[in-house]
Amino acid sequence: GAVVSQHPSRVICKSGTSVKIECRSLDFQATTMFWYRQFPKQSLMLMATSNEGSKATYEQGVEKDKFLINHASLTLSTLTVTSAHPEDSSFYICSARWSGEETQYFGPGTRLLVL
Amino acid sequence: GENVEQHPSTLSVQEGDSAVIKCTYSDSASNYFPWYKQELGKRPQLIIDIRSNVGEKKDQRIAVTLNKTAKHFSLHITETQPEDSAVYFCAASKGAGSYQLTFGKGTKLSVIP
Repeated sequence: GAVVSQHPSRVICKSGTSVKIECRSLDFQATTMFWYRQFPKQSLMLMATSNEGSKATYEQGVEKDKFLINHASLTLSTLTVTSAHPEDSSFYICSARWSGEETQYFGPGTRLLVL
Repeated sequence: GENVEQHPSTLSVQEGDSAVIKCTYSDSASNYFPWYKQELGKRPQLIIDIRSNVGEKKDQRIAVTLNKTAKHFSLHITETQPEDSAVYFCAASKGAGSYQLTFGKGTKLSVIP
């Protein structure tokens, strides 16, 4: 149990385009989903926390107009990187938890390359 | 905010030996401490966690200890195997109301056959 999926697994796009990444909890209702960014050989950096039906809370330094997060249902959250630039190239990972559970279960990640 | 320090950044051990990774945290309100294992290009996977009302927890070859007074916790892997080679991350959370995890910088463990 506690499976989280992400789509796509890899995406290559041109500079200036927007990219949408989906995060789904397959066998539980995710009251909270988290979005992380991980650069090569570095740790996971929390970008934002998303509660179902509420606006996402962004960490300091993360542009909310650039990284649009939607958590419209208890099993789906999306991250849209708007007007992507090469410096946005990274590994984006989501995680999810259910009500009353502290453990976060991670998706497989999406590798974004902006040319 | 919370700050989690993790040491060492790299660790090489012979197969069969033990490995110890240590973390310290700054916020005394943190009460949940998970450890994740991440293989190259893969998702982080929870291997063990401990809550602040417990001093030690063990699961087969893996154990975690917590010293709330000193604000540090450690991961112990015994009888290491080549498949234990990965990057290990510790994390801390204040639990209810936030559930946000603050991660350490990671330890790259190499088990030499």
